[in-house]
Amino acid sequence: QLQLVESGGGLVRPGGSLRLSCAASGFSFSDYYMSWIRQAPGKGLEWVSSISMSGGTIQYADSVKGRFSISRDNTENSLYLQMNSLRVEDTALYYCTRDLIDVADYWGQGTLVTVSS
Amino acid sequence: EIVLTQFPATLSVSPGERATLSCRASQSVSTNLAWYQQKPGQSPRLLIYAASTRATGIPASFSGSGSGTDFTLTISSLQSADFAVYYCQQYINWPYTFGQGTRLEI
Repeated sequence: QLQLVESGGGLVRPGGSLRLSCAASGFSFSDYYMSWIRQAPGKGLEWVSSISMSGGTIQYADSVKGRFSISRDNTENSLYLQMNSLRVEDTALYYCTRDLIDVADYWGQGTLVTVSS
Repeated sequence: EIVLTQFPATLSVSPGERATLSCRASQSVSTNLAWYQQKPGQSPRLLIYAASTRATGIPASFSGSGSGTDFTLTISSLQSADFAVYYCQQYINWPYTFGQGTRLEI
């Protein structure tokens, strides 16, 4: 069945870096846009970044532009999020999602990123 | 950035009753609006997209309506499993944005 499994979260100091990964299975990964959506503890949802099937079209929320980089490897069925210059306000559960015409039709369980000194 | 405002913030209803949740956009999103359900400790689940199309596996008790700036999610007969937080999301313009959520409680 369809699965999205995130990894790579953890505790990092402000200014540090992390690389999140999402392993996809159960569908034709290269046929779908993919995204990262985050949720701060006890808060709502924020769409962080989106990448097209080939990786040629990428979008970022203003809050992460210039600090985060999304990428994908269609040969490995994997999605990535390189996060640099992390801030306390980046603390959140980061979800990997499959996109169906710009809505997130499948979600992983999330990986928690905590930015704290 | 398009701002989505959901109301009420909390809706208290009883099992078997009908629930109506609202979402208002700061500018027209046509029908580029989706609804998600999130239960405690779980990932969100897509319920409705294109304002009124149910996602795969979503029961007919969930229905969406509206266009432009005003949208409604209706749950026709509440079951215990339906008590959750519901979010709307627009996807006409980047950045895609979510409403702040409506908590549906007993």
